[in-house]
Amino acid sequence: RKEVEQDPGPFNVPEGATVAFNCTYSNSASQSFFWYRQDCRKEPKLLMSVYSSGNEDGRFTAQLNRASQYISLLIRDSKLSDSATYLCVVGSNMLTFGGGTRLMVKP
Amino acid sequence: ETGVTQTPRHLVMGMTNKKSLKCEQHLGHNAMYWYKQSAKKPLELMFVYSLEERVENNSVPSRFSPECPNSSHLFLHLHTLQPEDSALYLCASSQLGPGELFFGEGSRLTVL
Repeated sequence: RKEVEQDPGPFNVPEGATVAFNCTYSNSASQSFFWYRQDCRKEPKLLMSVYSSGNEDGRFTAQLNRASQYISLLIRDSKLSDSATYLCVVGSNMLTFGGGTRLMVKP
Repeated sequence: ETGVTQTPRHLVMGMTNKKSLKCEQHLGHNAMYWYKQSAKKPLELMFVYSLEERVENNSVPSRFSPECPNSSHLFLHLHTLQPEDSALYLCASSQLGPGELFFGEGSRLTVL
């Protein structure tokens, strides 16, 4: 089993749609959880941290389910500019990246 | 001035060449990292330096040799690479904890 697993996609959605990604992790001792965004041929950048109580940042909502060992990212009212690869990152002392989920928002 | 800068941005080298990738961070962080990103594979952690001491070496072949002369600079020395080493090499820095990783724009390496 991979340490951090994501559906590679691509997820093709129309503008304005709501889309959700899940990410599962194998190490139950993991303490830190993040979603990063990576645009084509660019470096990854932090989108948001994921807290135990769940957290929201504008159109983006992240949740953590420790019992089932997964985190999720919900994007509401998708924009063309949301098209990117979304990387799930999990760890304690060291961070492990998932393979990413590619999102394509179409007009 | 960007937080983490990498040079060169693009590098083409033969299998017998010796080259180096350079990374510099201006964020006052105490940890620096080298990652490898190949097509259709997750980011792979290669090396971690914490306070200039190497704390992680993920079974990376010896043809990759890191150097961290101070907390702001990180090098990756390359020698007798193989074509399968062609990839995007990303440098990152953070506060230990681990904190948010700040990446450079990467060095795209092609080995002929």
